[in-house]
Amino acid sequence: NAGVTQTPKFQVLKTGQSMTLQCAQDMNHEYMSWYRQDPGMGLRLIHYSVGAGITDQGEVPNGYNVSRSTTEDFPLRLLSAAPSQTSVYFCASCDTGDTEAFFGQGTRLTVV
Amino acid sequence: GEDVEQSLFLSVREGDSSVINCTYTDSSSTYLYWYKQEPGAGLQLLTYIFSNMDMKQDQRLTVLLNKKDKHLSLRIADTQTGDSAIYFCALSGGYNKLIFGAGTRLAVHP
Repeated sequence: NAGVTQTPKFQVLKTGQSMTLQCAQDMNHEYMSWYRQDPGMGLRLIHYSVGAGITDQGEVPNGYNVSRSTTEDFPLRLLSAAPSQTSVYFCASCDTGDTEAFFGQGTRLTVV
Repeated sequence: GEDVEQSLFLSVREGDSSVINCTYTDSSSTYLYWYKQEPGAGLQLLTYIFSNMDMKQDQRLTVLLNKKDKHLSLRIADTQTGDSAIYFCALSGGYNKLIFGAGTRLAVHP
């Protein structure tokens, strides 16, 4: 049982480049979300989804897009990377009912 | 919006108890969580407490919830070097939307 899988684990981008962070879960969870973790700030919610075809913004959505075409996948797109997006990104999934959220291992992104 | 506060650092001697504290502003969360993050790793759920409970014990872990003061604490008994990590308090905002504190870095020394 793989749980929540994020790829890549590490990425370096130049300012202005675009990329997609992948997240996949094999637990048939309806809820999925993306967080970014910055030093001294904990994790902040970027976007979340309550099911295929349904997404909404979190606390810090600017500069990021998401889509949810299947239950399993929830990719996060950076359209034009900026140094302020240097962070560690975590994807999480959760069954309905507000129980345990399962986190991926994270993607460490550096924008130079 | 919701604000979750934690002290940033805690240092304890091996074998002693550790108490990590968390205060929050919004009391509407159904669940309150403690997550552990080891270096270079994702977040691992340690324990959680339902909002209508005052205390929950799980082996070496004791969670206390004071709803009146909006205060949550995690006590780790007999702290070991393997407990060294960052501990996050988090509240549920519904739909897998978690609101995290900044994390408390626990250092365990001999």
